[in-house]
Amino acid sequence: RKEVEQDPGPFNVPEGATVAFNCTYSNSASQSFFWYRQDCRKEPKLLMSVYSSGNEDGRFTAQLNRASQYISLLIRDSKLSDSATYLCVVLSTGGFKTIFGAGTRLFVKA
Amino acid sequence: EAQVTQNPRYLITVTGKKLTVTCSQNMNHEYMSWYRQDPGLGLRQIYYSMNVEVTDKGDVPEGYKVSRKEKRNFPLILESPSPNQTSLYFCASRSTAGLAAYNEQFFGPGTRLTVL
Repeated sequence: RKEVEQDPGPFNVPEGATVAFNCTYSNSASQSFFWYRQDCRKEPKLLMSVYSSGNEDGRFTAQLNRASQYISLLIRDSKLSDSATYLCVVLSTGGFKTIFGAGTRLFVKA
Repeated sequence: EAQVTQNPRYLITVTGKKLTVTCSQNMNHEYMSWYRQDPGLGLRQIYYSMNVEVTDKGDVPEGYKVSRKEKRNFPLILESPSPNQTSLYFCASRSTAGLAAYNEQFFGPGTRLTVL
């Protein structure tokens, strides 16, 4: 079993749709959690950190469920520019090792 | 401009010919790391460094070496490259100040390596 698992997709959605991505992690001692965005083999860039209380940034909402070892990302009112691969990232205890999920590909269509 | 730079950006080489990929950051970050990205596998951590002269293995360290003699530089060395090291490589850095575990990692633009 992979340490961090994501649905690879692709997700094909029309503009304006709401789309949700899920991620599970296997190490219950994991310390911190993130969603990164990657455009077509370019470098990953931080989308948002995921806090225990959940957090929102504009159209994006991230949630963490430590009991179920589950992280989610919700994108509301999808834009064409949201088309990218979304990477779930987990830091180990101590914040040293970084583990990436394989990514979920999103295509937003006009 | 705050950034992580990598060189070269593209490299085609042959099996067994030693090579070094350089990584440099100008943000005074303590933490630096190397990743490789392969289709279907995502990014996998090769080595990381918590500070000067402090390095440790990630998940896929075999066939790679690193050194951290200066805070800003973290070169990746392939002593004897093999075709299974053909990949897209990313260097990253992160501050360990403040709420360190939630600090953003900044990535370089990537190095596409092909080993024939």
